[in-house]
Amino acid sequence: GENVEQHPSTLSVQEGDSAVIKCTYSDSASNYFPWYKQELGKRPQLIIDIRSNVGEKKDQRIAVTLNKTAKHFSLHITETQPEDSAVYFCAASNTNAGKSTFGDGTTLTVKP
Amino acid sequence: NAGVTQTPKFQVLKTGQSMTLQCAQDMNHEYMSWYRQDPGMGLRLIHYSVGAGITDQGEVPNGYNVSRSTTEDFPLRLLSAAPSQTSVYFCASRPPGTARTEAFFGQGTRLTVV
Repeated sequence: GENVEQHPSTLSVQEGDSAVIKCTYSDSASNYFPWYKQELGKRPQLIIDIRSNVGEKKDQRIAVTLNKTAKHFSLHITETQPEDSAVYFCAASNTNAGKSTFGDGTTLTVKP
Repeated sequence: NAGVTQTPKFQVLKTGQSMTLQCAQDMNHEYMSWYRQDPGMGLRLIHYSVGAGITDQGEVPNGYNVSRSTTEDFPLRLLSAAPSQTSVYFCASRPPGTARTEAFFGQGTRLTVV
């Protein structure tokens, strides 16, 4: 089955700096890679996603890159703000299968 | 639309008790899943379903049963609760094979087994 590894487990940055979170996956059949943000006590919510036929996607301060050959994808947050502090999860899934596999999460702390 | 609705939000059980966590979605999604979230361990898949009448085991299925009699509902049953099942449980649904197959999560059920 699919195995997703996420690094780092914790990340602390100063406000205004950039943050990068990396994930690797094992199943070449995975073709959809979403990123979720989970605030304390809340449910995970999608912040950005990328499909396997795209190498990079950007949405304002957030970007995701995908290297299919190396089976890794990354989340980039620029100009971080205190409200970006949360746990971030990557996931890998096959859009024709019923399940997604999640990374273990990265706790991001943005210091004002 | 209500999205994905989970009940209850909080529950305390005694060891050995059984209960059902309810999950319903009104988005006509074929795919539904149950995850448990323990501190520092991310989301681990318990059971999932690709449509009514079809269920399959995930990563940590022991001690849990599911059924999918309708597209809308996907209840999770704890057969004999154990302290190791203390966790936050999330139900999620998503559509199959479309351009955007993000998972929509319920608000979670915080379960404590004493």
